[in-house]
Amino acid sequence: GQNIDQPTEMTATEGAIVQINCTYQTSGFNGLFWYQQHAGEAPTFLSYNVLDGLEEKGRFSSFLSRSKGYSYLLLKELQMKDSASYLCAVRDDGPARQLTFGSGTQLTVLP
Amino acid sequence: DVKVTQSSRYLVKRTGEKVFLECVQDMDHENMFWYRQDPGLGLRLIYFSYDVKMKEKGDIPEGYSVSREKKERFSLILESASTNQTSMYLCASRPDRGGYEQYFGPGTRLTVT
Repeated sequence: GQNIDQPTEMTATEGAIVQINCTYQTSGFNGLFWYQQHAGEAPTFLSYNVLDGLEEKGRFSSFLSRSKGYSYLLLKELQMKDSASYLCAVRDDGPARQLTFGSGTQLTVLP
Repeated sequence: DVKVTQSSRYLVKRTGEKVFLECVQDMDHENMFWYRQDPGLGLRLIYFSYDVKMKEKGDIPEGYSVSREKKERFSLILESASTNQTSMYLCASRPDRGGYEQYFGPGTRLTVT
């Protein structure tokens, strides 16, 4: 099975940088995903890492270390609209390539 | 744009009722999923389907069943709704090839009284 841990809440200031960490223990690994979910809305895809290293996409970057079972999502130049829940999810290596989600980190961006 | 739609945004049902939640995707995706989302527990997989008429149990299938008669439609059925099934239900789809991202529907907030 999979066990995923991420902080419940974080607060940051507009224009700042914030790093949201995710650690996982897994019996099989085939990639790590980050999703963003605004209140009352569906999760939307942010990033995908399957190899070690940093993936950059505009203001958002995601890092993966498979040996440490660790990932982070880095958000730069924070904007008020970045206030949302950020979900870390691990995909297993079984035939279904099932996703297991963490509980999510609620980020509040303050003016 | 991929579109995943769900039949209702909000639903209120009584204990013991049979409840149908419908999900439709328009991108010819092979894989479809039903999750429930509860505060502090994240998204938990109820059932998934990788082809028409095929289904697999997820992590919490008890009290639920599913139906996939057509590729674009995946239904979640609560045979006899109970108050502990009050939750947000999210449907998702994903292609077999050419992508790894799961696309989510807007969700159905179900309240069982």
